[in-house]
Amino acid sequence: DVKVTQSSRYLVKRTGEKVFLECVQDMDHENMFWYRQDPGLGLRLIYFSYDVKMKEKGDIPEGYSVSREKKERFSLILESASTNQTSMYLCASSVGGYEKLFFGSGTQLSVL
Amino acid sequence: RKEVEQDPGPFNVPEGATVAFNCTYSNSASQSFFWYRQDCRKEPKLLMSVYSSGNEDGRFTAQLNRASQYISLLIRDSKLSDSATYLCVVKASSGDKLTFGTGTRLAVRP
Repeated sequence: DVKVTQSSRYLVKRTGEKVFLECVQDMDHENMFWYRQDPGLGLRLIYFSYDVKMKEKGDIPEGYSVSREKKERFSLILESASTNQTSMYLCASSVGGYEKLFFGSGTQLSVL
Repeated sequence: RKEVEQDPGPFNVPEGATVAFNCTYSNSASQSFFWYRQDCRKEPKLLMSVYSSGNEDGRFTAQLNRASQYISLLIRDSKLSDSATYLCVVKASSGDKLTFGTGTRLAVRP
């Protein structure tokens, strides 16, 4: 079974802090994604990557950046955390045409 | 108008009932359709793809109506374990990203 591991289940940060969310997958998938999930808004795509060192903006990239130095690892960076970035963050990976996503268990980030 | 719209529910049904959810999409060029399931406080997981001719997987049946731009999910003989949020997912074209609906919550009671 594919395993997508997110480094933290819960995280509490202060406004203005730089925040790193890490995601590692063990199935050699080319594609990796970062989503945030908020009540009433569903899953929204922040960034995705289809290869090492490649990245593409999703629907809501403002305030975020990403890094993919190795195929198995995709990091989401909040340069200066704000309260409106309090959310559940979900990492996912897939092979080929993006159709079957394998998600990590999520990181609930609270920015105070 | 949202790209993918779902009735948020909740749908409260007794065990053994048949329940159906619809999902509408706005982009007529959409090519691929899926249902994902998300349990409370868990990650989404692919339930099934939706094919043009309709498809069945055990108690679950998915259908696509391109003319009216909606997909449906029918669950027969509901089990307690079917309680979850069901996410409708649409992909516009090959290589394009997936767009998720906000989900329909199902609660099956004993």
